[in-house]
Amino acid sequence: KQEVTQIPAALSVPEGENLVLNCSFTDSAIYNLQWFRQDPGKGLTSLLLIQSSQREQTSGRLNASLDKSSGRSTLYIAASQPGDSATYLCAVEGDRGSTLGRLYFGRGTQLTVWP
Amino acid sequence: ETGVTQTPRHLVMGMTNKKSLKCEQHLGHNATYWYKQSAKKPLELMFVYNFKEQTENNSVPSRFSPECPNSSHLFLHLHTLQPEDSALYLCASSQDHLRPSGRGGTGELFFGEGSRLTVL
Repeated sequence: KQEVTQIPAALSVPEGENLVLNCSFTDSAIYNLQWFRQDPGKGLTSLLLIQSSQREQTSGRLNASLDKSSGRSTLYIAASQPGDSATYLCAVEGDRGSTLGRLYFGRGTQLTVWP
Repeated sequence: ETGVTQTPRHLVMGMTNKKSLKCEQHLGHNATYWYKQSAKKPLELMFVYNFKEQTENNSVPSRFSPECPNSSHLFLHLHTLQPEDSALYLCASSQDHLRPSGRGGTGELFFGEGSRLTVL
């Protein structure tokens, strides 16, 4: 069964720092990997989607990389701001067998950026 | 209105009550999903509908009953729930569930804000 792990579980940094959030998954048979942001008590907002054939995706200050063979993804946040404070979740979509079409989520990294 | 909207945002119910959660998506998507988010657990897929047909039931207890009259509307009917069912219930949509062959995967998911359910 696919398992997704996110490290660290929580992160607190001063404004302006460049950040690295990590995601690892046990089964490399995936269609894609998505990074989401969730504000307290709210739904999830998709940030970046990386297809299994891609190595990275960028959107503004966010850059996500994918190493499918080693089961790892990294989300880089450049020049962090207090508005970046949220929980960041990664999810992978299985591409075969019992995992086909299913998204498997990590528990998230809770990020706090203080002024 | 755009995106995925869920009502009610908050719901408190007793174990003998019957209530329903509603989800509307205004994105023209064909696939809709119910997810459960409990404290300290990853998001759990509950149900998937593709073109009004239920394509997945992730071993969800029968006290949760989904309904999808059309691709724009999704309901989750609740009856005789347990306190451990208290959670944030999230609706999501995507263009399709598992895109036509050759394109691979489902693609981007769009989530609603969720319905916070408390069972007393």
